[in-house]
Amino acid sequence: GQNIDQPTEMTATEGAIVQINCTYQTSGFNGLFWYQQHAGEAPTFLSYNVLDGLEEKGRFSSFLSRSKGYSSLLLKELQMKDSASYLCAVWDSNYQLIWGAGTKLIIKP
Amino acid sequence: SAVISQKPSRDICQRGTSLTIQCQVDSQVTMMFWYRQQPGQSLTLIATANQGSEATYESGFVIDKFPISRPNLTFSTLTVSNMSPEDSSIYLCSGKRTGDTGELFFGEGSRLTVL
Repeated sequence: GQNIDQPTEMTATEGAIVQINCTYQTSGFNGLFWYQQHAGEAPTFLSYNVLDGLEEKGRFSSFLSRSKGYSSLLLKELQMKDSASYLCAVWDSNYQLIWGAGTKLIIKP
Repeated sequence: SAVISQKPSRDICQRGTSLTIQCQVDSQVTMMFWYRQQPGQSLTLIATANQGSEATYESGFVIDKFPISRPNLTFSTLTVSNMSPEDSSIYLCSGKRTGDTGELFFGEGSRLTVL
């Protein structure tokens, strides 16, 4: 079966750095997405990785290792507004988007 | 980016009734999808809305319960039929454009509560 694992919840301090991990087992791979979802709102796109390595976008960066079936989302200089759920999703060989359950990130002052 | 408008944003419904959710995109998208997200859970794909033909449903979802229309490239509706409390959820419309990497744009969601 297809599976995406990410931690259920993480806590970090304002101003610090946090890394959210995602491991996947899917039938094929055509890319990995990270989305941010604030409570009561729709998900918004953060990043897309299809090749191994690091993609940086401001305070957020995403890393992919296809051989390990692993991705991580790194958030720097955490702000209170970063409190949200972070969803990892993988495009399989049929271009079906497989979603993880999401990681709820709690930022404390 | 694409802007997707969804309505209603929320509704409280009686058991046994049906509700239609509308989704309007501001630009043409090649694919439109309907998702359900139950409290504290991730997104579950209900179906892919196909222009001018029947939607493609995922396992566990059927047309009689969730009829979907997509008369053109920028508009789709999802009906939740004969509702029960188990249908209480957030329903999200999303779209993807030709040539994009696969990024999905989401509507604001419709929060349904069935009493």
